[in-house]
This record gives sequence, structure tokens and C-alpha cells, in this order.
Amino acid sequence: GIQVEQSPPDLILQEGANSTLRCNFSDSVNNLQWFHQNPWGQLINLFYIPSGTKQNGRLSATTVATERYSLLYISSSQTTDSGVYFCAVEQGGWGRGSNYKLTFGKGTLLTVNP
Amino acid sequence: ETGVTQTPRHLVMGMTNKKSLKCEQHLGHNAMYWYKQSAKKPLELMFVYNFKEQTENNSVPSRFSPECPNSSHLFLHLHTLQPEDSALYLCASSLRTSGGGSSYEQYFGPGTRLTVT
Repeated sequence: GIQVEQSPPDLILQEGANSTLRCNFSDSVNNLQWFHQNPWGQLINLFYIPSGTKQNGRLSATTVATERYSLLYISSSQTTDSGVYFCAVEQGGWGRGSNYKLTFGKGTLLTVNP
Repeated sequence: ETGVTQTPRHLVMGMTNKKSLKCEQHLGHNAMYWYKQSAKKPLELMFVYNFKEQTENNSVPSRFSPECPNSSHLFLHLHTLQPEDSALYLCASSLRTSGGGSSYEQYFGPGTRLTVT
């Protein structure tokens, strides 16, 4: 199956710093999502971004599908940004219904200190 | 309520008990999913339902039994669980194109934290 690798596995920042999280995947995908899992376990959608660039406030994401990677940028980090960031991908082509499932990376644990 | 809801949020059960987890989505989606998240492991997909039909069973032991009576509700029936089944169980939903094709964003519920004693 498809492999999803996230880096770095752990990241510690001071409040106000910027960071870039990376997601590499081993095959072509038709769906890529970034999630933030808060300390209570809730997975929150950040971006649905199979290709291109999107921005939402202090967060932005870029997926270069031809090179099989995606980047999540966090600017001016805040303590509330702490948690685990997951990249998840879905592969498949029309008619291969059994392949339509999200495969998650192991996540990046982000800690933002005040 | 909006989004995806799950009940109960916490559950402690003995190995001989039978319990059920409930998930409900209020997003008009047509696909629903169960995931398991154990400590220090990636999220593992357990079951997928497209248009109320199970299309994926990711080698899950038979002590976990899913049920999807309609496109808004999903259950996970639990019986004779093992301590290693203790985990966070997450439900999600999404919209799929007709025929079970490509899916769009998945939205997750808050999860049920299960402890098996």
C-alpha cells in the first residue's frame, strides 16, 4: 500500500516562531488532507489539498502532487497550535472502490512554549 | 447538533461485556468510517460504509461488529474484547461520488476512549 512519511516527528517552538511540516507519499493520490489532533483527541480538518496552495489565517498548505509531497506552514505560532499534525492521503482511480481509504502518516508532535 | 457526534465519550468495560459505540453525522454525507487509534500508532482504518454498504473490512477481529442502518448512523458493537483493544475509536464521514468513487474531506467525531479491563 501507499506509504506516508511525515517530518519532523517532534518539533518544539517558542510562541511566535514559524514552522514547516512535511509529508511525503509514495504514490499518486486523489485526496490529501491535513489534520490537527488536539490534546482531547479531536481531529480537526485543516486543509483538503490534493494539489495547489491554500491559506487559512496563520496556516497555509502546498501540495506538489507530481513530486509527491505536501507542506504545512504555521506562522506566528501560538500555544493553542500544540498537538499532533497528521497528513492523510487517499489513492485510487475510478472503479477501484476498495482503494478509496485514507492512509495516515505517524504525525508531527508540535509543542509551542509560551 | 452539527458535525459528527459520538457516544459515549468514555467507556470502561470488562472482557466479558457487550457494549456498542454510536456515531451520528449531520452533514448529509454518504460514507462513514471507523478508525482505531492506539498509543504510539498511526490511525488504523477498521471499516468503511459507502451508501450504507460495507466496502472495507481491514482485517478486523470478529469481536468488533459494525452496523450502518442508514447513511447518518453508524454503530460498532463490541463483545469479548481484549485489553489490547483499549484505544481511542474515531468515527468519520465524508461525501463520495456515486458508485463509491473518489471521496472528499473526511470529518471526524470526538472519539470514544475505550478501556478494557
